[in-house]
Amino acid sequence: KNQVEQSPQSLIILEGKNCTLQCNYTVSPFSNLRWYKQDTGRGPVSLTIMTFSENTKSNGRYTATLDADTKQSSLHITASQLSDSASYICVVSGESYIPTFGRGTSLIVHP
Amino acid sequence: DGGITQSPKYLFRKEGQNVTLSCEQNLNHDAMYWYRQDPGQGLRLIYYSQIVNDFQKGDIAEGYSVSREKKESFPLTVTSAQKNPTAFYLCASSGRTGSNEKLFFGSGTQLSVL
Repeated sequence: KNQVEQSPQSLIILEGKNCTLQCNYTVSPFSNLRWYKQDTGRGPVSLTIMTFSENTKSNGRYTATLDADTKQSSLHITASQLSDSASYICVVSGESYIPTFGRGTSLIVHP
Repeated sequence: DGGITQSPKYLFRKEGQNVTLSCEQNLNHDAMYWYRQDPGQGLRLIYYSQIVNDFQKGDIAEGYSVSREKKESFPLTVTSAQKNPTAFYLCASSGRTGSNEKLFFGSGTQLSVL
């Protein structure tokens, strides 16, 4: 069964600090992995997409990495801001066009 | 929210009542999806539609029904058969069915039971 596991479940950091969120998956065959940001009470918004051949991709202060061999991805947030407080969801797609969602990591950034 | 409009933002259902959640998109997307989100859980697929007048059940379709009479619209009805309907409902769309397609989400509807 395709699964996506995220850790930690929740994280609290101070404004300006860096943090890294983890995603492990068992989706096979693998097509791509996306990270979404979901603000409270809103729909998720795509941050990055990574395909099999990509190891690193950046979007501003967000940097995603992918290790397709170990089936792991990380999302690194640099110099966190209060607006980064949200849930970050890892979504993995295989040969089926129906993606598998992780449960998300809830990030709280304190001033 | 990428041109997808969900309404209402909040909805209350009485026991035994059917309620309908609206989802409209102006992105000219072929595929549309309904997801349910419960606290601490990942999004679960209720129904999806690849083209007009066609739709398929997702993982948790029981107690729900949909229609796709127009490309722009994909309403979800929560029937009285759904015994635990309280959740946050998200509608999404994508350009076409394909694993590289990004999902665009609406702002969601919070459904609660009175």
